[in-house]
Amino acid sequence: AQTVTQSQPEMSVQEAETVTLSCTYDTSESDYYLFWYKQPPSRQMILVIRQEAYKQQNATENRFSVNFQKAAKSFSLKISDSQLGDAAMYFCAYRSNFGNEKLTFGTGTRLTIIP
Amino acid sequence: NAGVTQTPKFQVLKTGQSMTLQCAQDMNHEYMSWYRQDPGMGLRLIHYSVGAGITDQGEVPNGYNVSRSTTEDFPLRLLSAAPSQTSVYFCASSYIFGRASTDTQYFGPGTRLTVL
Repeated sequence: AQTVTQSQPEMSVQEAETVTLSCTYDTSESDYYLFWYKQPPSRQMILVIRQEAYKQQNATENRFSVNFQKAAKSFSLKISDSQLGDAAMYFCAYRSNFGNEKLTFGTGTRLTIIP
Repeated sequence: NAGVTQTPKFQVLKTGQSMTLQCAQDMNHEYMSWYRQDPGMGLRLIHYSVGAGITDQGEVPNGYNVSRSTTEDFPLRLLSAAPSQTSVYFCASSYIFGRASTDTQYFGPGTRLTVL
């Protein structure tokens, strides 16, 4: 079974600075997807960014980018120019490309933005 | 599109009571699922469905029943609520292409359930 580990329960960053959230995963599969979801106080789960394992190029979405290291099974999220609205819980998730659409989540990192 | 909707947003039950959490989506997604979120544990899959009439168990299915009579709806039933089922429940849906999908799972707003 796949597992996803987020070793940083809490992180904080000054507004306008850059922060990196860590995620590692364990799998024996070679074809899969990785996701970062944001959960603000409203509780809504919002997709931030998605990475397909067969693509070597790291995904980017505006101020959000990932560092995908397939051999190391590492998938970190970098947030540049942090804004107050980035304050939230961030969850890393894994989805196999074989079988069902099940997402396996990490335990989350709570990000605080310091004005 | 309303996306994925869930009702109710909040619910308080007494131990032993039954209830149904409703989930509906208007995106014609084949795949629907229920997750529960507990502090320090992320989201865990309860049940899922790949189409009308087809359901299967996830990681933590005990105490929950599901059915899928239409593409749009995927209710989650608690037959006899227990305090251990106090949690936040999320419904999610996505397309399926063959046996896998490149699409994203869309989440509902969640239901906060407290069992006393």
